This record gives sequence, C-alpha cells and structure tokens, in this order.
Amino acid sequence: EVQMVESGGGLVQPGGSLRLSCEASGFTFSSYWMSWVRQAPEKGLEWVAKIKEDGSEKYYVDSVKGRFTISRDNAKNSLYLQMNSLRAEDTAVYYCAREAIAIFGVVTYYYYYMDVWGKGTTVTVSS
Amino acid sequence: QSALTQPASVSGSPGQSITISCTGTTSDVGTYKYVSWYQQHPGKAPKVMIYEVSNRPSGVSHRFSGSKSGNTASLTISGLQAEDEADYYCSSYRSSSPPYVFGTGTKVTVL
Repeated sequence: EVQMVESGGGLVQPGGSLRLSCEASGFTFSSYWMSWVRQAPEKGLEWVAKIKEDGSEKYYVDSVKGRFTISRDNAKNSLYLQMNSLRAEDTAVYYCAREAIAIFGVVTYYYYYMDVWGKGTTVTVSS
Repeated sequence: QSALTQPASVSGSPGQSITISCTGTTSDVGTYKYVSWYQQHPGKAPKVMIYEVSNRPSGVSHRFSGSKSGNTASLTISGLQAEDEADYYCSSYRSSSPPYVFGTGTKVTVL
C-alpha cells in the first residue's frame, strides 16, 4: 500500500525550531519529487516547499525562505522539513505530498499535481 | 504570490449540478495545462479529483469534470450527492516562484 506518515509536530515557542519527518512506503521514493503543503487553522492550503528526486533542487514559498529547509534521505525513504525561527503564522497542519509522475522506459513524465498525501502533523507556535 | 480566486461557497440540492470557478493569471492557469482540483473533507487530507485540467484519476467518479477557458478553470460536479459536501481547492503550476499555487477554497454544501 502506498502511504506516507508524517511526524515531529508539536507545540513550540516563537523563535523556536522543529523538524518534521515523513516516512514513505509502498513505492520507489527516490523516483519522485516531494512537497510539503500546510493548512493553517480554518484556512486554505498553502504549498511550502518541494525537493527533486535526488535532492539537488529545492524550492520554497517566499514566507519560509531562509527559515525552513527541505531535505530527504532516499536510503531511509524519508522526507524532512527543518523549521527554524518559527512564527505564530507558521501554525498549521503540515502535509507531505508526492508529485505524480509516469515512467515510460527511461523517460519520466511530470504531471505537476500531488497524487498521494500523508495525514498531516500539527505544528503550533505559541508562547 | 496571490492565491487563485475561488468562490467561498457553492450549494446545490441532491441530483443537481454545480460549478466551481478558479481564476488565475497568464502566469499560471492561463498558460499551463497543469490545473488540478482537490477535495478535502473535515479533518482529512486532500484528495485529487482532477488533474491536467480535465483528467480524472482512477477511482474518481465520472460525476466530476474539469475545464478551462482563458485564465479561469472550472470544476463541475454532476448529480450532486451528500458525500460531495466538502471543501474544494484548485491548484496550478506557475512559471515563477513559487512553482505551485492553490486556490482560496470553496465550501460545497448539499442542501
């Protein structure tokens, strides 16, 4: 079964740090771009960051640049989000998500949408 | 980095059809075919319903369909059912940072 399980959320004070993890199973993790998406309480979805299959490219939404770092360990089928200098506005449920692809021999087609999501982990930034 | 614009709420009676709009710009919806729609029930993770404007993933009901005209994409739910009551978000690939943008979200109510 294809699934992803996030962990590492919790209550942290403003200015503090937290490291989220996402453990994937049931698919070849190293073949996929991966993203983090968050949802503040009673708010909409916000894409946060993405990382290439081999970790060589990373992209972030402006509001987290310089504070958050996305990384992965393909040997452990795991995705991470290191969050530093946390602010109240970072309070949200954080989802890891797989970006859909299709592989035709040696060619990979990218669909640019997220086909598998974890259940999320909650981060609360408050004093 | 503004979100795509969706109506806050749409409602319909069982069996009716409803359409949710998603308005972007020439930097996202207007240029790319990479528009997707997600359904989210309370307390649950999003689930993709439509990708590449009008394609349905395996297992998604044929009652869900998508289209696009200019900078506006649309999701239509036909034969509305109680289980369709949820929040719906559009999303698009963008030519500039950030590479993805979501819509503001639409709450669908089945009367």
